Amino acid sequence: RKEVEQDPGPFNVPEGATVAFNCTYSNSASQSFFWYRQDCRKEPKLLMSVYSSGNEDGRFTAQLNRASQYISLLIRDSKLSDSATYLCVPGGSQGNLIFGKGTKLSVKP
Amino acid sequence: DADVTQTPRNRITKTGKRIMLECSQTKGHDRMYWYRQDPGLGLRLIYYSFDVKDINKGEISDGYSVSRQAQAKFSLSLESAIPNQTALYFCATRGQGGAEQYFGPGTRLTVT
Repeated sequence: RKEVEQDPGPFNVPEGATVAFNCTYSNSASQSFFWYRQDCRKEPKLLMSVYSSGNEDGRFTAQLNRASQYISLLIRDSKLSDSATYLCVPGGSQGNLIFGKGTKLSVKP
Repeated sequence: DADVTQTPRNRITKTGKRIMLECSQTKGHDRMYWYRQDPGLGLRLIYYSFDVKDINKGEISDGYSVSRQAQAKFSLSLESAIPNQTALYFCATRGQGGAEQYFGPGTRLTVT
């Protein structure tokens, strides 16, 4: 099983749509979880941390299911500016991060 | 000014040449990382350093070496560049008590 698996997409959605990304990870010892966002040819930037109880930041909601080793990201009311690649990032050993290959989102007018 | 800077931003070099990529940070973080990113692949860890005297190999260290000259500086060297080292290279930092990594803008390296 790959360390982090994400649907590569692309997800092509109209403005205002709700879109969900899923991710599975193999390291059951992971203690920290994140979603990063990466624009084309730019550096990754933290979008949000993911907590066991689930958490929300504006239009973004993240969920974690430790038993299934599954992380999700929900984006509501998509904006054109949400177009990017979303990286699922569980923590690895020694505090390192394991980056998924990313899911590409394209929001169209 | 950017907190994490990388030089050069773009570099084209020939097979067999030695090249150094530099990373500097003003965040005061003790942990620094070098990654490479290839199309269709995720970020892969090359080397990481928890402080000036602590250097560790990552997932794909073969063909690379690093130097942590100071807390703020972490350099990546390709002793003899080869075409499959053509990639986008990112430096990142992390504070000891934090979990987030902060990335530099990247260096696009092409080996011909």
